[in-house]
Amino acid sequence: GESVGLHLPTLSVQEGDNSIINCAYSNSASDYFIWYKQESGKGPQFIIDIRSNMDKRQGQRVTVLLNKTVKHLSLQIAATQPGDSAVYFCAEKNSGGYQKVTFGTGTKLQVIP
Amino acid sequence: DTAVSQTPKYLVTQMGNDKSIKCEQNLGHDTMYWYKQDSKKFLKIMFSYNNKELIINETVPNRFSPKSPDKAHLNLHINSLELGDSAVYFCATSGRAKNIQYFGAGTRLSVL
Repeated sequence: GESVGLHLPTLSVQEGDNSIINCAYSNSASDYFIWYKQESGKGPQFIIDIRSNMDKRQGQRVTVLLNKTVKHLSLQIAATQPGDSAVYFCAEKNSGGYQKVTFGTGTKLQVIP
Repeated sequence: DTAVSQTPKYLVTQMGNDKSIKCEQNLGHDTMYWYKQDSKKFLKIMFSYNNKELIINETVPNRFSPKSPDKAHLNLHINSLELGDSAVYFCATSGRAKNIQYFGAGTRLSVL
């Protein structure tokens, strides 16, 4: 079956350093891979996505890398700030049917001031 | 003006009771969802409606019944509540880009 999982449940990073959050997936039929951020007491919020035919996409302070050979996805956050502290979810959208989005298990990012 | 609003934010109830959670969106999106997030933060889809039509119905006990009276509303009714139903329930919406979903703030349900 399909699954999306994360290598590290908790990541502690010094403020100002770069953060890298990793994710493994198993469904090769997904057409989009997505990162969501969930702050305490709030719902998940879309950060960035990448199409399956791309290997890199950059946003503001964030970069997503997709390695289809090893089915690996990562989110890089540059110059991590206290406001980046949250749980980050990778997710994938299947290309057929009702285009369901499946979420991974989440990684908690703690930024140390 | 909140794009996706859920009520109530907190719900504490006894086992065996019946309760409802409401969701309203003002984004004009066609698709709405209900997700369940457990204590380990695992987020799992329960239902999805597109233009008031049920299109995704995951393996959810039939004690859970979603209802969409119109495109802007998706409610979740739960009968005979059990301890294992305790979780945070999120409503979400999406437009044509199904990968970009907008979530409400969640309803924390505690069944005692």
